[in-house]
Amino acid sequence: QVQLQESGPGLVKPSETLSLSCTVSGGSISRDFWSWIRQPPGKGLEWIGHIYYSGNTNYNPSLKSRVTISLDTSKNQFSLKLSSVTAADTAVYHCARERYSPGHLDFDLWGRGTLVTVSS
Amino acid sequence: DIQMTQSPSSLSASVGDRVTITCQASQDISNYLNWYLQKPGKAPKLLIYDVSNLETGVPSRFSGSGSGTNFTFTISSLQPEDIATYYCQQSDNLPRTFGQGTKLEIK
Repeated sequence: QVQLQESGPGLVKPSETLSLSCTVSGGSISRDFWSWIRQPPGKGLEWIGHIYYSGNTNYNPSLKSRVTISLDTSKNQFSLKLSSVTAADTAVYHCARERYSPGHLDFDLWGRGTLVTVSS
Repeated sequence: DIQMTQSPSSLSASVGDRVTITCQASQDISNYLNWYLQKPGKAPKLLIYDVSNLETGVPSRFSGSGSGTNFTFTISSLQPEDIATYYCQQSDNLPRTFGQGTKLEIK
C-alpha cells in the first residue's frame, strides 16, 4: 500500500524559503506525477505544481517565480521549495500522487498534510 | 487558468436525502473532471474520476455525470458519514484547478 508523508519545519520566517519533503513508501516514485497542493486555513485547494518521474516539472503560474520541485529517486522522495514567503503562504501543504495512466489523471493518493505558518 | 465554480457553497440535508452538487468549468474540459471529499483535519479523498467512474472502494450511492463544462455530483441517499466538504477538480489543463468546495451538513 503506497503512502505519502510530508516532513519539514512548521514555522518559517517571512522572506525566507519554505522547504518540505514527501517520502513515498510502499511503492516506487518512478512513474506518475508527484504534486504539491496547499490549503490556507479554512480555504480551498491550490495546486502548486508537479514533477514527473523523468524530472520534468510544471508549476502554477501564480507561484512559478518562487517554486522549485525536485525528485530524489534514491530516497523515494520529492521536495518543495518556496522562496520569499509571506503570511499569505501560511497553509496546510499536501503532497499527492497524480495518477497518470489510460483513463486516469487524478490525485488518488495524498499525504495527511503539514501546516506551515509564516511568522516572525 | 480554468475556473471551476461549484454550487451551492454549503448544503444542509437529512439522512436519506438525495444530494446534488454542480460544478461548472470556464471552458470545455472534456471528461477530465474529478470529485473529492475532505473531512476536517484530513487529506482529500478521491471519489470519482473522469466524470463518472467510481474509485475502488467508494460506495455506489455516489455518482457523477456531465460533459464539457457542466458536471453534477450526486449522493443518492445521504449517510451520516458523508458529512464533509466536496471539491471538483479539472485535469484537462495546467494549472490544475479545484472548485471552491461545497460544505455538506446534516439537517
